[in-house]
Amino acid sequence: DARVTQTPRHKVTEMGQEVTMRCQPILGHNTVFWYRQTMMQGLELLAYFRNRAPLDDSGMPKDRFSAEMPDATLATLKIQPSEPRDSAVYFCASGFAYEDTQYFGPGTRLTVL
Amino acid sequence: AQKITQTQPGMFVQEKEAVTLDCTYDTSDPSYGLFWYKQPSSGEMIFLIYQGSYDQQNATEGRYSLNFQKARKSANLVISASQLGDSAMYFCAMREAPTNYGGSQGNLIFGKGTKLSVKP
Repeated sequence: DARVTQTPRHKVTEMGQEVTMRCQPILGHNTVFWYRQTMMQGLELLAYFRNRAPLDDSGMPKDRFSAEMPDATLATLKIQPSEPRDSAVYFCASGFAYEDTQYFGPGTRLTVL
Repeated sequence: AQKITQTQPGMFVQEKEAVTLDCTYDTSDPSYGLFWYKQPSSGEMIFLIYQGSYDQQNATEGRYSLNFQKARKSANLVISASQLGDSAMYFCAMREAPTNYGGSQGNLIFGKGTKLSVKP
């Protein structure tokens, strides 16, 4: 049963600290999306990779957020420095090409104090 | 402009009855996809059903069916024979075809969701 995995599932940190979230897409999928879910904004796109290349990261605050795919089995989302407004659930989703259904990981619930 | 509209913030349904969750969308792209996801209290996003804009027939997956009315730009989710485990948030989402001018990259655009509660 292939699934997207994300670590950590929960993260509590203090303002100013660096946060790294990791995602392992489903084997064989070549598109990876990072979404953020908040009560106010709902689900919104942060970044998108195809074949490990970043295609769109216009949804991310560039000064503090960065997303990378060092290899086909790992995508990372970093926040440095973190702020209380970054508190949210961060989802990774993967698919095979944009036409495919996107399958979501369990999410990382981030709380910045 | 809001592209996905779910007008029902919350709904109740009696166990074993059918329920329809509304979703309307807005796009000028002839090629698009429509999705429904379920988010239980555990927080995961579970894919339920997909409808392509060129599909001639309404999509069905077990107890889930999608009532696709293209002219009305609506893609309502119908859950038959509701179960207690169906209690969750339900999100409608749309994916437009990628463009070369910096528009859609094939990402999903989500509605605000509908919270469904199934009563025993």
